[in-house]
Amino acid sequence: DGGITQSPKYLFRKEGQNVTLSCEQNLNHDAMYWYRQDPGQGLRLIYYSQIVNDFQKGDIAEGYSVSREKKESFPLTVTSAQKNPTAFYLCASSMGWADTQYFGPGTRLTVL
Amino acid sequence: GENVEQHPSTLSVQEGDSAVIKCTYSDSASNYFPWYKQELGKGPQLIIDIRSNVGEKKDQRIAVTLNKTAKHFSLHITETQPEDSAVYFCAASSNTNAGKSTFGDGTTLTVKP
Repeated sequence: DGGITQSPKYLFRKEGQNVTLSCEQNLNHDAMYWYRQDPGQGLRLIYYSQIVNDFQKGDIAEGYSVSREKKESFPLTVTSAQKNPTAFYLCASSMGWADTQYFGPGTRLTVL
Repeated sequence: GENVEQHPSTLSVQEGDSAVIKCTYSDSASNYFPWYKQELGKGPQLIIDIRSNVGEKKDQRIAVTLNKTAKHFSLHITETQPEDSAVYFCAASSNTNAGKSTFGDGTTLTVKP
């Protein structure tokens, strides 16, 4: 099956801890994205990558970091510097610029 | 940067009626306009999209119209069914903005049986 996967589905973190969310795709897409979704709100772009070993900050990158060492993987680290990290995190990928984005099932992060 | 406004934020219709959701965008360079459906606790899924060289596109009960002059596009769902109940997002993107998509805030559609 081709698609985009995220793990874990639910994640709990204590304040002050870093945590890494996994995103993998086997669609052979060049571009990958991370979004944050808060209850009743739209999607806000955290980071995006259009090619391996390159990534750019989105609209709300503070307190987050990413890497793109492999085409199929784009992990997101939520650092302790992120002041309000409890949210639903969505990863997406697309073939190229301005193309359809395919979303993963999401990871719900809760800070205790 | 691009700004996308989506209306209404909530929409309730009777089963069998039509539903219309509208979006406006600000960047005249935007050339790709997808619509996504998000069910509770899941990731958004593409339901239909349109590019700037086309004015209308239809796929069974779903259609999208685009007015580039007015910078707005709309989603039309006919003969609504309870399973159409979900949150719908519009988005706009352009090659000049590194392909990033800007999303509307979403419309919660409820179809009453």
